[in-house]
Amino acid sequence: RKEVEQDPGPFNVPEGATVAFNCTYSNSASQSFFWYRQDCRKEPKLLMSVYSSGNEDGRFTAQLNRASQYISLLIRDSKLSDSATYLCVVSPRDAGNMLTFGGGTRLMVKP
Amino acid sequence: DARVTQTPRHKVTEMGQEVTMRCQPILGHNTVFWYRQTMMQGLELLAYFRNRAPLDDSGMPKDRFSAEMPDATLATLKIQPSEPRDSAVYFCASGKGGRGQFFGPGTRLTVL
Repeated sequence: RKEVEQDPGPFNVPEGATVAFNCTYSNSASQSFFWYRQDCRKEPKLLMSVYSSGNEDGRFTAQLNRASQYISLLIRDSKLSDSATYLCVVSPRDAGNMLTFGGGTRLMVKP
Repeated sequence: DARVTQTPRHKVTEMGQEVTMRCQPILGHNTVFWYRQTMMQGLELLAYFRNRAPLDDSGMPKDRFSAEMPDATLATLKIQPSEPRDSAVYFCASGKGGRGQFFGPGTRLTVL
């Protein structure tokens, strides 16, 4: 079993739609959680950190459920420019900055 | 706007040649990571440094790959001899204090 599991997609959605991605992680000692975005042929970029209380950044909302070891990302009012691969990332306690990446979920927003 | 820089951005070489990739982490970051990404394998961690000391290189093929940090502003990844299966994008990332990692633009390596 992979340490961080994501549905690879692709998720094909129309512009303006709301889309949600889920991710599960196996290490219960995980301490920090992130969502990264990776465009085709580019480097992964930090989208947002994920906090236990949930957090929002504009059209993006991230949630963490430690009991179920589950992380989600919700994108409202999808834009064409949101088309990318979204990587779920966890870091174990006392791992320094070491991260474990999921395989990514591909999103394609269509006009 | 501080960024991780990597050189070269693209490298095409022949099998058996030595390849050296360089990375300048963001100033003040004390952790540096090397990753390899292919379509089939996704992101694989090759090496990890904290305060210039190598902490984990278990993901790296030891016989041909080596990673070093000669100083705080430079990390290198060397492949000798290179093989066609090494063709991939190699990313360097740096970070500090559990705030995630910041990636460079990558070196796209093709070994013929």
